[in-house]
Amino acid sequence: AQSVTQLDSHVSVSEGTPVLLRCNYSSSYSPSLFWYVQHPNKGLQLLLKYTSAATLVKGINGFEAEFKKSETSFHLTKPSAHMSDAAEYFCVVSDGTNAGKSTFGDGTTLTVKP
Amino acid sequence: GAGVSQSPSNKVTEKGKDVELRCDPISGHTALYWYRQSLGQGLEFLIYFQGNSAPDKSGLPSDRFSAERTGGSVSTLTIQRTQQEDSAVYLCASSFGQGIYNEQFFGPGTRLTVL
Repeated sequence: AQSVTQLDSHVSVSEGTPVLLRCNYSSSYSPSLFWYVQHPNKGLQLLLKYTSAATLVKGINGFEAEFKKSETSFHLTKPSAHMSDAAEYFCVVSDGTNAGKSTFGDGTTLTVKP
Repeated sequence: GAGVSQSPSNKVTEKGKDVELRCDPISGHTALYWYRQSLGQGLEFLIYFQGNSAPDKSGLPSDRFSAERTGGSVSTLTIQRTQQEDSAVYLCASSFGQGIYNEQFFGPGTRLTVL
C-alpha cells in the first residue's frame, strides 16, 4: 500500500531565506511522486514530479525536490523564498497499487514573512 | 478551454436541498477524480472514473453522494439532502490515463455552503 506523510503542517520563513518542506513516503514498488501547490482560493497546480528518471527534479518557480530511496523522502526546496510562494503544498505518491488512485499528504502551509 | 472547468464556482444552499456540481475535464483525458477539501484540511478522495470502467466509489462518505460521467467526458457530482457538514470546496481533476506517471490537472473548485 502507498502512503505519504508531510512532516510539517506549517512552515514559516522570511523572504529571501531557503524553503524546506518535508515529505516521506511508503511504497512497495517504484512510485511516482508529485508536489502540488494551492494558492488561496485557487485550484491545485503541479510544481514538479518524479517518475524514476533523474532523482533531482526541477520544477516551476525555482522549486526542486530530490528523491532519496534510502530515506524514502521527497523533500521540496527552494533557495530563496518569495512572498508569492505563500501557499499550501501537497506531496502525492502513486505506485499503481491503489486502484490507480494517488495518495495525497495532508498539506503544509507555507508562510513567508517580509 | 485548455483546463478543467467547474461550475458553479460558489453554491449556497439550505440544509436538506439537493445540489449538482459539474466538472468539464480536459479533452482527451480518460481519468476523472472528485475530491473534497474542508476548511484547513487536505484533500479527501471521493470518486474516480477511468475510461469505461466501473467507477471507484470507495471515497463517497454516504449514500447521499453520487456521481456520473456521461460519454466519458463531463461529470456531475450530486449531493442529496445536504447537511451542514457537506460544506466544503469540491475539486475535480482529470488526467491522461491512470498511469502512475500522469499528473492530475485540477479545476478551480466549487465552494459549497450549506446553511
